[in-house]
Amino acid sequence: DQQVKQNSPSLSVQEGRISILNCDYTNSMFDYFLWYKKYPAEGPTFLISISSIKDKNEDGRFTVFLNKSAKHLSLHIVPSQPGDSAVYFCAASATSSNQFYFGTGTSLTVIP
Amino acid sequence: EAGVAQSPRYKIIEKRQSVAFWCNPISGHATLYWYQQILGQGPKLLIQFQNNGVVDDSQLPKDRFSAERLKGVDSTLKIQPAKLEDSAVYLCASSTSGSGNTIYFGEGSWLTVV
Repeated sequence: DQQVKQNSPSLSVQEGRISILNCDYTNSMFDYFLWYKKYPAEGPTFLISISSIKDKNEDGRFTVFLNKSAKHLSLHIVPSQPGDSAVYFCAASATSSNQFYFGTGTSLTVIP
Repeated sequence: EAGVAQSPRYKIIEKRQSVAFWCNPISGHATLYWYQQILGQGPKLLIQFQNNGVVDDSQLPKDRFSAERLKGVDSTLKIQPAKLEDSAVYLCASSTSGSGNTIYFGEGSWLTVV
């Protein structure tokens, strides 16, 4: 049972434009959400997180939006850069358990 | 601050052979995780330790996989005997205990079973 879903396996965006990566979850107990970036042959690297008490968190070019009623979160990257090309995973956690569930990833390609 | 260390980075073995992966978490991180990531899929939790105790190993195929975290620091994940479907990246991660934590991953150990 996939509790965290990323329905778009891939996304291509022109350099300088906005990249929007989406993630849906099913478990209403999840209250902490994270995005990871993964380059080939490397482990996932933490990018940005958001607690369920917020609906937006921003860090430089990266912004995560959370819609609790829709059980949906999204990662916005603006402006997109070629170095952003990677696989992005969203993850969700119920802080009472300290366990993390991951989506299947979205492969982002930023075209120069 | 040193990150999560894993070894070996790459391993190729024949089916029915055994393999062991080692992980050293970030200093002070009480929680350690082993994830399996098959190509095209997201990381799947195999086992979670809190200090040297097991919190969750419900998805660990215990007939062939074992893991330990002696002294609550380093951890070893073993597969014996390996099957073709065990070909994956084995990711070790760690976090502090408590709520709202971030987990940090090592670079992974890439296993190919032939």
